[in-house]
Amino acid sequence: AQSVTQLGSHVSVSEGALVLLRCNYSSSVPPYLFWYVQYPNQGLQLLLKYTSAATLVKGINGFEAEFKKSETSFHLTKPSAHMSDAAEYFCAVSDQRSSGYSTLTFGKGTMLLVSP
Amino acid sequence: DTGVSQDPRHKITKRGQNVTFRCDPISEHNRLYWYRQTLGQGPEFLTYFQNEAQLEKSRLLSDRFSAERPKGSFSTLEIQRTEQGDSAMYLCASSINSGLTGELFFGEGSRLTVL
Repeated sequence: AQSVTQLGSHVSVSEGALVLLRCNYSSSVPPYLFWYVQYPNQGLQLLLKYTSAATLVKGINGFEAEFKKSETSFHLTKPSAHMSDAAEYFCAVSDQRSSGYSTLTFGKGTMLLVSP
Repeated sequence: DTGVSQDPRHKITKRGQNVTFRCDPISEHNRLYWYRQTLGQGPEFLTYFQNEAQLEKSRLLSDRFSAERPKGSFSTLEIQRTEQGDSAMYLCASSINSGLTGELFFGEGSRLTVL
């Protein structure tokens, strides 16, 4: 079964600093990978996705992620953090079922804290 | 608003009571999922519907849990004889059949607190 590991349950950065949130995956097949963001008391919003096209994926709000097969990683970055980026971020891998549909398996999440 | 809609957003109940959550997916989406999210954890898969057929249930879905999707439109998730361990955010998501990449669209969740 596919799985993801997010390193660091909390990451703190200053406003304007680089954001780096780490995600490593385990998959027996070429994976589809996702980053979702969750603001307090809200559902999950898709930031970006990797679907085997370009390895560098650009998403919303200035975020991007790079798929590195050799490292089994899909880290999320943003050059300059804004206060509004403070939220919880989830990495997920598509889990193809034998019946032909797929669901998502999520990591435990990383809370991003942004200080002025 | 054409996104995934969940109701109620918040539910506080006493242990032993039954609760029901409703999810209205995006209209053209034939796939519907329920996830559970507890504090400090990522969402965990509970069950999946394709149209009205429930095709998979996680081991997390005990006998006290039942989900339905009559007519392949909205879905309900019922928890009978609630326990304190059922306290969580219940998330509904939907996707379209041709979405082979697995992208899911989530609602804002229903937060359950069992006293």
